Parts: sequence; C-alpha cells; structure tokens
Amino acid sequence: AQSVTQPDIHITVSEGASLELRCNYSYGATPYLFWYVQSPGQGLQLLLKYFSGDTLVQGIKGFEAEFKRSQSSFNLRKPSVHWSDAAEYFCAVGDRAGGTSYGKLTFGQGTILTVHP
Amino acid sequence: KAGVTQTPRYLIKTRGQQVTLSCSPISGHRSVSWYQQTPGQGLQFLFEYFSETQRNKGNFPGRFSGRQFSNSRSEMNVSTLELGDSALYLCASGSGLEYYEQYFGPGTRLTVT
Repeated sequence: AQSVTQPDIHITVSEGASLELRCNYSYGATPYLFWYVQSPGQGLQLLLKYFSGDTLVQGIKGFEAEFKRSQSSFNLRKPSVHWSDAAEYFCAVGDRAGGTSYGKLTFGQGTILTVHP
Repeated sequence: KAGVTQTPRYLIKTRGQQVTLSCSPISGHRSVSWYQQTPGQGLQFLFEYFSETQRNKGNFPGRFSGRQFSNSRSEMNVSTLELGDSALYLCASGSGLEYYEQYFGPGTRLTVT
C-alpha cells in the first residue's frame, strides 16, 4: 500500500532563513505528488504538484519542490521564509485505489512550521 | 471563480444521531472527494464521486455514506454517530480526469458529545 512519511513533526526557523521540509513516499508506480498548506482552522491550500516531466516544480508563495525518484523523495523548499509561512504542511501522493482516476490522496502526518522573528 | 464551499462550518451532535454535510465544488469541477482529519489519524480519504457515481472508497464503516447530485454538489452522511467521529471533514473538488489537482474547502468541524 502507498504511504507518505514526513519525518519532521515540528520545524522552527527564523524569518529570512531557508527552509526544507522532507517528504518520502512509498508507491509502486509513477507517483503523483502534492504539497498542501493548512493554517489553523482552515482547509488545505495547494502549493504545488508533480505529475511528470521536470523534476523541479515551482509553486505559489515562492515554494518549490524537487522529485527524486532514486530517493523516493519530494522535498519542499523556500529560500527565505516569511512570518506568514507559519502553518502546517502536508505532502500527499495520488493513488488510483483501483479506480479510474488519481482521486484518492494519501497524506503524510504533516510538519508544523514555526517562524521566529 | 468561487472556491469550494462547505456547510455548515460547525456542528455539534449527540452520540447516536445522524448528520449530513454539504459540499459545493468549484464551478465546472465534476469530482468531489471527502476526507476526515483528526489529530490522531491525520487526513484520511473517505470517498470520491464523479458524475454522480462513487468511484473510490476509503476504509471507513458503512455508517459513512455520500452522494453526488447532477450539479456536482455532494453530501456526506454519517449515521449512528460515535464520539470518535468528531473531526474536521474536508471536501475537495477537481476536474476528475486522469491526473488532476484537488482544491479543498474550509471544512466542517463536527463535534459529537
């Protein structure tokens, strides 16, 4: 069965510092990967996605992620963090689950990002 | 374009009751998926609907059911509520085609007492 691991439950960075959030997946076929962000009491906002092609994908809010098949990873990065980036971040893999589309998402447990001024 | 809307936003029910949650997808989207989010289990897939048909289903008991209408709006029903059903229920919409991204609503916070 597919699975997603986010090794870091909580990360603290200073404003202006760089950020990397780790994500490892287990999936038998070509993965279909996403990063979402969730602010307290809110739904999930899509940051970026990887379907195929270029392994470095750009997203909203200055985020990027790199797909590394050999390492089964899809790490999220941002060169300079802003206080407004404080939130919980989720990595997810899309799965057919026997259906006809990749509508089922399997999520990691999330990484809470705290930003110090 | 308006985003995904979910009603109600907050709900308090008593154990044994049933509840219906509603989701209106982004205009033009034909797929609606439902997820349950709890502190202990995280985000878990409930089911996916596309053109009024359930296409995928997660590992939840039969008390959890859903449906989709011809205008793509979806409802989710939980019967015989248990304390463990307290959660944030998130709905997501997308095109429903081969590869597609999903856009989430703000969720319905269900508390079972």
